[in-house]
Amino acid sequence: AQKITQTQPGMFVQEKEAVTLDCTYDTSDQSYGLFWYKQPSSGEMIFLIYQGSYDEQNATEGRYSLNFQKARKSANLVISASQLGDSAMYFCAMREWNSGYSTLTFGKGTMLLVSP
Amino acid sequence: GAGVSQSPSNKVTEKGKDVELRCDPISGHTALYWYRQSLGQGLEFLIYFQGNSAPDKSGLPSDRFSAERTGGSVSTLTIQRTQQEDSAVYLCASSLTSGSYNEQFFGPGTRLTVL
Repeated sequence: AQKITQTQPGMFVQEKEAVTLDCTYDTSDQSYGLFWYKQPSSGEMIFLIYQGSYDEQNATEGRYSLNFQKARKSANLVISASQLGDSAMYFCAMREWNSGYSTLTFGKGTMLLVSP
Repeated sequence: GAGVSQSPSNKVTEKGKDVELRCDPISGHTALYWYRQSLGQGLEFLIYFQGNSAPDKSGLPSDRFSAERTGGSVSTLTIQRTQQEDSAVYLCASSLTSGSYNEQFFGPGTRLTVL
């Protein structure tokens, strides 16, 4: 079974609108972390935002916020006021502990296209 | 400061040849990770180093793949007898430790093409 599921292969949004990218995860651990990364066409992976499983508040970083619903095991990324430069692949990832070290598992990604 | 660097940026090789990919992590980062990203796919975990030891090699797809890290710094990923299915972008990342929040910083990747 997939540990990280991103059900939207592609999303379209108009500039200045908000968009939500979905991510659900599967773990039996109590302690874990959730990350979102952006990968533009140039290929580098850019860290956007992090949510710890014990964090009570939803994480926010500028125009990015994470809608964390622990009971539903979802960690959706919300981008407010989309910009043309937001067009990229977006990956959700989960960090789990494994015998004293952590591993990071990525979803398959969502391609976001922002139109003028 | 300098980020994670990888070399070469592009590598084209013939089927059956061996290749070595290099990763230079951020100075002081003890944790180092290798991932593979095939065309249009997410990242597939290959191997993780804490210092010079690799507690998790579970992602290496076959015994043709090996990796080492020396001096707690530079790592090399070696693929022997390359096959066409090995064609992918190989990404390296490092983090300060392997603790629960330590953000992984990624290098630019090595694009490997096996003809």
